[in-house]
Amino acid sequence: EPEVTQTPSHQVTQMGQEVILRCVPISNHLYFYWYRQILGQKVEFLVSFYNNEISEKSEIFDDQFSVERPDGSNFTLKIRSTKLEDSAMYFCASSPRGQGTEAFFGQGTRLTVV
Amino acid sequence: AQSVAQPEDQVNVAEGNPLTVKCTYSVSGNPYLFWYVQYPNRGLQFLLKYITGDNLVKGSYGFEAEFNKSQTSFHLKKPSALVSDSALYFCAVRGPTGTASKLTFGTGTRLQVTL
Repeated sequence: EPEVTQTPSHQVTQMGQEVILRCVPISNHLYFYWYRQILGQKVEFLVSFYNNEISEKSEIFDDQFSVERPDGSNFTLKIRSTKLEDSAMYFCASSPRGQGTEAFFGQGTRLTVV
Repeated sequence: AQSVAQPEDQVNVAEGNPLTVKCTYSVSGNPYLFWYVQYPNRGLQFLLKYITGDNLVKGSYGFEAEFNKSQTSFHLKKPSALVSDSALYFCAVRGPTGTASKLTFGTGTRLQVTL
């Protein structure tokens, strides 16, 4: 069964460093998302991406964050200068179509900023 | 703005008993409603969804959910709980506007099923 894959599974980085989280969405999907979950808390929306551009972003997704689909398969989230409060589990998701379809989530990347 | 409320942080039930995990929502227009399950150190797995039609929807692993428009609720149910159902359950809503519209999640309910 096709699945969303994320790498790495765990990333430790020093405060102020740049990190890139990588995702390979399901191949025929058209809508891509990043969410994050701070330990034990709710799943928060970061950004949605469709047709090679950002469709919507939350207030969390400030200038330190960016997304890219550099080729036909990968979808990346870059955090330019990490802060301690960026420590969280980051989930990539994809949907074949928009509203009425479920999103399929990857296993997540646990980001620890020290 | 759309929102989801899950009023119970934890639900405890004995194996073999029926379970209900509550969810209420707020959204403009007709909602698209979803339930996801999260096992420890894992991603979110889709369980079921309500888009339109029959108010009782059936999903994976014997779960079902009942959509109630007047009460703006979408409670998750299962007739007979299993210990292996113990996990974190999230209700989510997707609004009707915007083709790439985001999922908004509730705070999650931890289901604990005991022998």
